[in-house]
Amino acid sequence: AQSVSQHNHHVILSEAASLELGCNYSYGGTVNLFWYVQYPGQHLQLLLKYFSGDPLVKGIKGFEAEFIKSKFSFNLRKPSVQWSDTAEYFCASGGGYNKLIFGAGTRLAVHP
Amino acid sequence: DGGITQSPKYLFRKEGQNVTLSCEQNLNHDAMYWYRQDPGQGLRLIYYSQIVNDFQKGDIAEGYSVSREKKESFPLTVTSAQKNPTAFYLCASLGTGEETQYFGPGTRLLVL
Repeated sequence: AQSVSQHNHHVILSEAASLELGCNYSYGGTVNLFWYVQYPGQHLQLLLKYFSGDPLVKGIKGFEAEFIKSKFSFNLRKPSVQWSDTAEYFCASGGGYNKLIFGAGTRLAVHP
Repeated sequence: DGGITQSPKYLFRKEGQNVTLSCEQNLNHDAMYWYRQDPGQGLRLIYYSQIVNDFQKGDIAEGYSVSREKKESFPLTVTSAQKNPTAFYLCASLGTGEETQYFGPGTRLLVL
């Protein structure tokens, strides 16, 4: 069965530090990959997605992710985090019928 | 404004009681989804519907039921058979030919 794993459950950073959140997926065929973010008290919203083409994907708010097929990975990065990036981040892969399979999530806390 | 609304924001359930969570969308989307979010487990799919009058079980359907009588509405009933209903419930929708699911604000269900 398809699965998505996120390596870090909690991450604490200071402002201006660089961020990398790990994500690995298990499905070996064609994959659609997503990163969603859930800010405190807000809707889950899409950060970025990868379906095909350039494996380096740029999303909103300065985030990017790199699809590495040989490593089954889709890690999220940001060169310099801000306090406003404090949120929970979810990696997901697309399943049949456009279902989403989510990872367990990573809670990011950014201190001023 | 187009979007997805969920009500109520908080819901309390007594032992042995069935409760129904509302999800309405005015995006004219055909597909709708219900997910359950638990701390440290990410989101898991309960039920989904690709079209009116049709729905399928997701990964954790036991103890839940749904209906899809109207395109705009996809209510979820948490039955007394669901032994651990305390969670955050998220509804999502997806337009035909689109790639990204849109999420509602969620309903937090608590057991008294």
